[in-house]
Amino acid sequence: DGGITQSPKYLFRKEGQNVTLSCEQNLNHDAMYWYRQDPGQGLRLIYYSQIVNDFQKGDIAEGYSVSREKKESFPLTVTSAQKNPTAFYLCASSTWTGIDGYTFGSGTRLTVV
Amino acid sequence: AQKVTQAQTEISVVEKEDVTLDCVYETRDTTYYLFWYKQPPSGELVFLIRRNSFDEQNEISGRYSWNFQKSTSSFNFTITASQVVDSAVYFCALSYHSGGSNYKLTFGKGTLLTVNP
Repeated sequence: DGGITQSPKYLFRKEGQNVTLSCEQNLNHDAMYWYRQDPGQGLRLIYYSQIVNDFQKGDIAEGYSVSREKKESFPLTVTSAQKNPTAFYLCASSTWTGIDGYTFGSGTRLTVV
Repeated sequence: AQKVTQAQTEISVVEKEDVTLDCVYETRDTTYYLFWYKQPPSGELVFLIRRNSFDEQNEISGRYSWNFQKSTSSFNFTITASQVVDSAVYFCALSYHSGGSNYKLTFGKGTLLTVNP
């Protein structure tokens, strides 16, 4: 079955360490997205990519980095520059335009201690 | 600016009650799309419905129904005869043209629905 796989589901890291969240899709979607979810805040866009080797900042990109070397993969690195990294991170994908809406993964809960 | 407002932060009902989740949006675009997603405790967002701005017909799918009114910029979601399995966070979202050929989704803050047995 086609879908989006995010791993791991739970991640614990010490403050000051970079950490990379994985996102893989087999839907043959061109576009991929990373969202951050905090309690009571809804979903906020971190980065998105419409094609391989190209990506754009979203609303809250500071302290994060991404790469898009393959169509299927869009890993997110939470760097030590991100002041409040503890959150739930959701990856999504869509057709190139995104006009049909997005398909979401099951998320990664990152806790920084 | 594009904005989605879900004024109800939390709603609690007893099983078999009907419940309506409100969604109000703002956009200057004439072509846009509205969505509802369900987020159960497992975390994944599940697509429920998509509506384009030119189609104001209400839609019913089983116990779910949606009321789209452009005059009031609202896209409300009603669950009839609620069940415990309906307990989740529900997000309303607006897809707007963000330049070039890309549409981006902006989300409301979500409504936590708890259905008690």
